[in-house]
Amino acid sequence: RKEVEQDPGPFNVPEGATVAFNCTYSNSASQSFFWYRQDCRKEPKLLMSVYSSGNEDGRFTAQLNRASQYISLLIRDSKLSDSATYLCVVVNSGNTPLVFGKGTRLSVIA
Amino acid sequence: GAVVSQHPSWVICKSGTSVKIECRSLDFQATTMFWYRQFPKQSLMLMATSNEGSKATYEQGVEKDKFLINHASLTLSTLTVTSAHPEDSSFYICSAPTSGWGNEQYFGPGTRLTVT
Repeated sequence: RKEVEQDPGPFNVPEGATVAFNCTYSNSASQSFFWYRQDCRKEPKLLMSVYSSGNEDGRFTAQLNRASQYISLLIRDSKLSDSATYLCVVVNSGNTPLVFGKGTRLSVIA
Repeated sequence: GAVVSQHPSWVICKSGTSVKIECRSLDFQATTMFWYRQFPKQSLMLMATSNEGSKATYEQGVEKDKFLINHASLTLSTLTVTSAHPEDSSFYICSAPTSGWGNEQYFGPGTRLTVT
């Protein structure tokens, strides 16, 4: 089983739609969780951290379910500029490298 | 916020030559930096962990004699691709963790290497 698994998509949605991405991780001892966004031919950029209590930033909501080892990202009122690849990222412990999912590609269509 | 820079942003070289890529943390010290590689339409794959003052730790399948890593100071790590071949053409990205909560990491803008 891969350490971090994501549905690769692509998700093609119209502007204004709500879209949800899911991610599962295999290491129950993982400590930190993030969603990164990567545009084509660019480096990943942090979108938001993910907490058990849920984390909302404008149109974006992230949720962590430790019992099910499951992370989600919800995007409301999709914009064209949201088109990108969304990477689910897990940190296992301490000063360790990020473990990336393969990413979910989103295309928002006018 | 924390910034990580990389140089060069892109490079084209001939087969058999060596290429050095620099990764700098601009406003924080990084005792550890990570080097990733990303092939087209693939995820980022960790190549190695660069440790200031000690040897780098390489992931399985990554040749340490081909990808030389030197972490010369608390703000600089370099990756040298030696005797580059076309299959080494890729997007190389470094990252550095800050000391903040949650091990947040910042990425350099990446270096696109093309070997002809």
